[in-house]
Amino acid sequence: GQQLNQSPQSMFIQEGEDVSMNCTSSSIFNTWLWYKQDPGEGPVLLIALYKAGELTSNGRLTAQFGITRKDSFLNISASIPSDVGIYFCAGRFNTNAGKSTFGDGTTLTVKP
Amino acid sequence: ETGVTQSPTHLIKTRGQQVTLRCSSQSGHNTVSWYQQALGQGPQFIFQYYREEENGRGNFPPRFSGLQFPNYSSELNVNALELDDSALYLCASSRTSGRPDTQYFGPGTRLTVL
Repeated sequence: GQQLNQSPQSMFIQEGEDVSMNCTSSSIFNTWLWYKQDPGEGPVLLIALYKAGELTSNGRLTAQFGITRKDSFLNISASIPSDVGIYFCAGRFNTNAGKSTFGDGTTLTVKP
Repeated sequence: ETGVTQSPTHLIKTRGQQVTLRCSSQSGHNTVSWYQQALGQGPQFIFQYYREEENGRGNFPPRFSGLQFPNYSSELNVNALELDDSALYLCASSRTSGRPDTQYFGPGTRLTVL
């Protein structure tokens, strides 16, 4: 089946630093999604990407849909303590919102 | 507008038992998807329900089954529990119309199988 490799597995950074994480797939996707999950909560959608090459921002977050349709990255600029959490990429080949394949997450720790 | 809710929050069962988890969709959402999230991993798609019918299934055995009710709430049933079924079970609701990625997750039910 489809597999997503997400890296790095974890990151420890100072407040104010920029962060970059990425996701690669063995299959192509038509949609790439980035989620954040806080302890005791379900994932929350941060950014959705629908076209190869697309670059989309949401505040300090920027994500890109790779040209090959097999990868995506997420950047966070000027990190703050509330950015702490687990970030998941997810890919989808169809238009159905529910049927997504998730990576295993990048755990972000921000030191004040 | 109420969000997605799940019950119970935590559950402890023993091997071989059966469990039912419940999910109430966000208002106006007619589709419910269930995911299993093992510790340290991303959510894995179990199945989806739309108009009370199963609408796609991931790589899970038949002992994982579900229901969707006319009010769009949903249940996940797992029979013959195994130790590896210990996980966080997430449901997510969405609409079939409008932006396709309007999928909202509930806080999950933590299931421990002893």
